[in-house]
Amino acid sequence: NAGVTQTPKFRILKIGQSMTLQCTQDMNHNYMYWYRQDPGMGLKLIYYSVGAGITDKGEVPNGYNVSRSTTEDFPLRLELAAPSQTSVYFCASARDSHNEQFFGPGTRLTVL
Amino acid sequence: GQNIDQPTEMTATEGAIVQINCTYQTSGFNGLFWYQQHAGEAPTFLSYNVLDGLEEKGRFSSFLSRSKGYSYLLLKELQMKDSASYLCAVMDSNYQLIWGAGTKLIIKP
Repeated sequence: NAGVTQTPKFRILKIGQSMTLQCTQDMNHNYMYWYRQDPGMGLKLIYYSVGAGITDKGEVPNGYNVSRSTTEDFPLRLELAAPSQTSVYFCASARDSHNEQFFGPGTRLTVL
Repeated sequence: GQNIDQPTEMTATEGAIVQINCTYQTSGFNGLFWYQQHAGEAPTFLSYNVLDGLEEKGRFSSFLSRSKGYSYLLLKELQMKDSASYLCAVMDSNYQLIWGAGTKLIIKP
C-alpha cells in the first residue's frame, strides 16, 4: 500500500495563476482532509470530505475548492493564487472521524 | 474561541525523560491526539486519548485530564531520532481536529 500520495512535491506559482494539488489514498478511507501548515502555526483545515460526492468547508476555505468524485481522490484547486497561499499543504485520510489520520508527504507551494 | 497551548521549544538530553504539556479550550471534546513531525516531513500518529488517565505505548505515554483541559506526552529513554516537533490536536464537537502549533524537541547528546 502506498498510503496517501500527493503531487507535486514543490511548486512555484505567479500571482493569479491556478493549479490543482493532487491527493490519492489506497486505504479505502471514507474521510479525507486538506490542511495548510504555516511556520509557527498549527495545521489549519481547509476542506474535508466524509465520502465520495460529499465535501464541506473547514476553518480556512477561502481561495480554494475541492471535489470528491471517487473514494480514492481528493484534489484541491487554487483558482487565483495569492502570496498568502504560500504554505505547505498536507492531505490526510482516515477510516472515520474518530480514527487516526494518515498524512501524505505534503506539497510546498510558493506564490510570488 | 478554540485554543490549544503547548510550549514552543524544549531541550532534553539523550537517555533522559521529557514531558510535553498541552492545554486546551475547545467547543466540545471528542478525543485528543498526539502526532510526531520530523522537519520537512508529514505528521505521524503517536497516541489517542478520549478517557482520563494514562495510555502507555513503549517509550511513549500520553495522559489526559478532561476536567482540567490538560494532556501531556511523556517520552522516556530519549534517542537522537526523537528530535522532532510534537503536535497536540483536540477533536471538537464537529469532529474536526483543532491543532496546537507544536513543540519542537531538541535532543542533545
